[in-house]
Amino acid sequence: GENVEQHPSTLSVQEGDSAVIKCTYSDSASNYFPWYKQELGKGPQLIIDIRSNVGEKKDQRIAVTLNKTAKHFSLHITETQPEDSAVYFCAASIVDDYKLSFGAGTTVTVRA
Amino acid sequence: DAGVIQSPRHEVTEMGQEVTLRCKPISGHDYLFWYRQTMMRGLELLIYFNNNVPIDDSGMPEDRFSAKMPNASFSTLKIQPSEPRDSAVYFCAIGGLETQYFGPGTRLLVL
Repeated sequence: GENVEQHPSTLSVQEGDSAVIKCTYSDSASNYFPWYKQELGKGPQLIIDIRSNVGEKKDQRIAVTLNKTAKHFSLHITETQPEDSAVYFCAASIVDDYKLSFGAGTTVTVRA
Repeated sequence: DAGVIQSPRHEVTEMGQEVTLRCKPISGHDYLFWYRQTMMRGLELLIYFNNNVPIDDSGMPEDRFSAKMPNASFSTLKIQPSEPRDSAVYFCAIGGLETQYFGPGTRLLVL
């Protein structure tokens, strides 16, 4: 099955700086890569996703890049704010399979 | 969280008791998923349904776990008998071809 590895496990950044989280996947057939943000006491919330026919996608301060050859994808958060503090999960799946394989999560802390 | 209601939000029970977790999707989606989240194992898919039919239950840890979806707006996950190692946060998620939307979860503690 699919194996998704996520790094780093914790990330502390100064407010206004950028944060980058990286994930690798094992199954070359995977073609859908969502990112979720989980705040304390809440369920994971989808913040951005990318499909394998696209190399980069941006939505305001967040962006995701995908390198299919190397089988890795990354989340970039620019101009970080205190409300960006949360646990972030990457995931991978094959569209017709509907089964998401999640990374272990990255705890992001934005220091004011 | 807006698309899924889960109840109860918190449950404390004693080992050996039956536990029933409930999920009510608000908006119409073809797929419903049950996940378990623990510090040790992260997010694990337990089972998912398509149009109320169970498709893949390979993630259900053992026979003590069962799930049903009698209609498009209601699903249950039952643990009988419960054990301390079942303590976790259980999420219901809904989705279509790709994207999944998670509910707020039920935090279960088995003493």
